[in-house]
Amino acid sequence: QVQLVQSGAEVKKPGASVKVSCKASGYTFTSFDFNWVRQATGQGLEWMGWMNPNSGNTGYAQTFEGRVTMTRNTSISTAYMELSSLTSEDTAVYYCARKAASDYWGQGTLVTVSS
Amino acid sequence: DIVMTQSPDSLAVSLGERATINCKSSQRVLYSSNNKNYLAWYQQKPGQPPKLLIYWASTRESGVPDRFSGSGCGTDFTLTISSLQAEDVAVYYCQQYYSTPYTFGQGTKLDIK
Repeated sequence: QVQLVQSGAEVKKPGASVKVSCKASGYTFTSFDFNWVRQATGQGLEWMGWMNPNSGNTGYAQTFEGRVTMTRNTSISTAYMELSSLTSEDTAVYYCARKAASDYWGQGTLVTVSS
Repeated sequence: DIVMTQSPDSLAVSLGERATINCKSSQRVLYSSNNKNYLAWYQQKPGQPPKLLIYWASTRESGVPDRFSGSGCGTDFTLTISSLQAEDVAVYYCQQYYSTPYTFGQGTKLDIK
């Protein structure tokens, strides 16, 4: 069965970077785009960007342009999202999701930014 | 960017009654070459990731109960739950995937009256 399993919770200081992983199983990793979505506590869903795991092509929301990098390692069927220059406003649960109309989601990774 | 606006922000419906959530996009999300509306609906329960209910505005995802239906075209869309069940209490989001950024509506919180 299709699964997306994300890395564990992170606590970071302001100005640091965080890298979240998303390991896919149960399907051909390169067949579908990945999207990354975040959600601050009690807030709505915010789309961050997409990555084609076959080509490595990416597209980022302007809000995150220059601060986010989405990559992959096809040999281990894992997608990554790295966010730099963290502030307290980046405290949120970060989700990876398969496809634009996202049929499978990771369990979420809580990233807390605190001094 | 396409702005997605849901209404209402919250609603309470009696068990067994119909619930209707609306979603309006600031631009058409209908791709004329394939006549598909690039609009999805998700359900999110506390502590869980969103769950895809509907895509192409009206296609039910596999395993989703048939009391959930989507309709609409162009810029105006509706999610209908025909007979509300207790397990349907959740926040519902629409999302356009017509053009990046793939924006979400602000969410609609659905409760039991």
